Amino acid sequence: AQSVTQLGSHVSVSEGALVLLRCNYSSSVPPYLFWYVQYPNQGLQLLLKYTTGATLVKGINGFEAEFKKSETSFHLTKPSAHMSDAAEYFCAVRSGGATNKLIFGTGTLLAVQP
Amino acid sequence: NAGVTQTPKFQVLKTGQSMTLQCAQDMNHNSMYWYRQDPGMGLRLIYYSASEGTTDKGEVPNGYNVSRLNKREFSLRLESAAPSQTSVYFCASRGQLLNTEAFFGQGTRLTVV
Repeated sequence: AQSVTQLGSHVSVSEGALVLLRCNYSSSVPPYLFWYVQYPNQGLQLLLKYTTGATLVKGINGFEAEFKKSETSFHLTKPSAHMSDAAEYFCAVRSGGATNKLIFGTGTLLAVQP
Repeated sequence: NAGVTQTPKFQVLKTGQSMTLQCAQDMNHNSMYWYRQDPGMGLRLIYYSASEGTTDKGEVPNGYNVSRLNKREFSLRLESAAPSQTSVYFCASRGQLLNTEAFFGQGTRLTVV
């Protein structure tokens, strides 16, 4: 069965510092992986996705993620944090078979300190 | 383009009351989902509908029922609300291709007292 694990439920960085949010996946089929962001009191918005092809994926707001099959990881990074990046971030993997579900991790709450 | 629309945005229920959460999408997506979000637990799938006319249980279906009324609409019903169902509920829809993402509504914040 497919699953994702997000290490660190809370991450705090200083404005201008590197953001690194970790996601490891488990999948018995070639994975389709997604990162979503949720701002307070809002729905989830897609940041980026990996399907096939290039392993370094660029998303919105300066975020990117690298698919590493050998490490079963899909970590999210941003070189320089901005105050507006404070939000909750979710990693997700598509389930296999015909069900077409997305399985979500437990989320990482990012705080950005001035 | 409205995307995924959920109603209501907020609701307070007394224990034992019933209610239906409505969801509609205008993207001609086949698949629709209901998730609940609780602190520290991420999004958990309640029910989903892979296509019009089909529904299936997700991780946490107990206490809920769903109806896929047509391709656009997917409702979630709480027959007898319990305090454990206090949560934020999200509806989502997704296209048929394997690499497509899900699109989410703005959520319904439900409190059961």
